[in-house]
Amino acid sequence: GIQVEQSPPDLILQEGANSTLRCNFSDSVNNLQWFHQNPWGQLINLFYIPSGTKQNGRLSATTVATERYSLLYISSSQTTDSGVYFCAVKPTIGANSKLTFGKGITLSVRP
Amino acid sequence: EPEVTQTPSHQVTQMGQEVILRCVPISNHLYFYWYRQILGQKVEFLVSFYNNEISEKSEIFDDQFSVERPDGSNFTLKIRSTKLEDSAMYFCASSEMGGRRTPFGCTFGSGTRLTVV
Repeated sequence: GIQVEQSPPDLILQEGANSTLRCNFSDSVNNLQWFHQNPWGQLINLFYIPSGTKQNGRLSATTVATERYSLLYISSSQTTDSGVYFCAVKPTIGANSKLTFGKGITLSVRP
Repeated sequence: EPEVTQTPSHQVTQMGQEVILRCVPISNHLYFYWYRQILGQKVEFLVSFYNNEISEKSEIFDDQFSVERPDGSNFTLKIRSTKLEDSAMYFCASSEMGGRRTPFGCTFGSGTRLTVV
């Protein structure tokens, strides 16, 4: 099946810093989503971005589908940004509809 | 914004007991899913459901698991005889479309944390 690799696995930032989180995937996809898992375990949908660029406040994401990667940018980070960030994809080929998740990136933002 | 609702948020059960986790997907969505996340690990797919039948299931989804859409709004996951290793966060999700059609994003519920003791 499709492989999803996220990097770096852990990231520590000082409040106010910027960061870039990366997601590589092994096959062509027609669905890619970024999620933030908060300390209570809830999965918050950040972006649905199978291609192109989107922005939402301090967060933005870019997916270069032809090169099989996606980037999540966090600017002016806040302590509330802490948590685990997951990338999840669905391959273009095949009839299945499931999302395959990466292992996540654990972000800690220090005051 | 429409939400996927899951109940209960936490459930503690004794090993060997049956549990039913409940979900109300978004009303105009056609595809429904269950995923689970063992503590500290990644989110894993369990099963997808479309047109009142299972469309895909993973190796995890063995005979102990079943899903049902008992009415027009609810979607349930039943674990017949829980084991310690079933302890996890269980997420329900729904999407407008799936499969070979142009997909849309999946919306996830807040999860049910299941603890088997």
